[in-house]
Amino acid sequence: EADIYQTPRYLVIGTGKKITLECSQTMGHDKMYWYQQDPGMELHLIHYSYGVNSTEKGDLSSESTVSRIRTEHFPLTLESARPSHTSQYLCATVSGGNTIYFGEGSWLTVV
Amino acid sequence: GENVEQHPSTLSVQEGDSAVIKCTYSDSASNYFPWYKQELGKGPQLIIDIRSNVGEKKDQRIAVTLNKTAKHFSLHITETQPEDSAVYFCAALTGTASKLTFGTGTRLQVTL
Repeated sequence: EADIYQTPRYLVIGTGKKITLECSQTMGHDKMYWYQQDPGMELHLIHYSYGVNSTEKGDLSSESTVSRIRTEHFPLTLESARPSHTSQYLCATVSGGNTIYFGEGSWLTVV
Repeated sequence: GENVEQHPSTLSVQEGDSAVIKCTYSDSASNYFPWYKQELGKGPQLIIDIRSNVGEKKDQRIAVTLNKTAKHFSLHITETQPEDSAVYFCAALTGTASKLTFGTGTRLQVTL
């Protein structure tokens, strides 16, 4: 099983602020993902990465950006948060055999 | 792209009864089908998965079946317990990008 860590778990910020959600994994996996999920709803892929310096947009358009400078870290950034960005953001990584594991999620509320 | 449909959206069963959740997928190239359980305030937890070269897989009270011809797969939970109450998501993985497409989720409630 993969160890995936997301911080912060909960964040309440004001409109217009810049925020970065951190995601790190200790297994050296190349493939990592960010999903967005509204409470009780389905998960939507917003970003993914095949490895260092690789980032791609997912199926759901998002104003967030990501970077992959190191294998272990895949941070997600919102330059100017808005109430419409309020959601849960889930980071995931792929272990051997294409098994995908999720972190505990970051709950973002923009007021 | 892949499209995954899941039903029912809500399911209520009595403790000890069985629960069945069904999913269909559209892309015949999909080859990996995991099921996730998500409890309130937590990330999805992988509970069982099945690959396209297998028709059925069982792990204690949980089983998954796959019908590649019909492009559907199902989750079966036997002897349900209150701690089984959660939202369950099916998913299908397609292509070398290893991108998962999720179903819309089933809220399972196990009543005493």
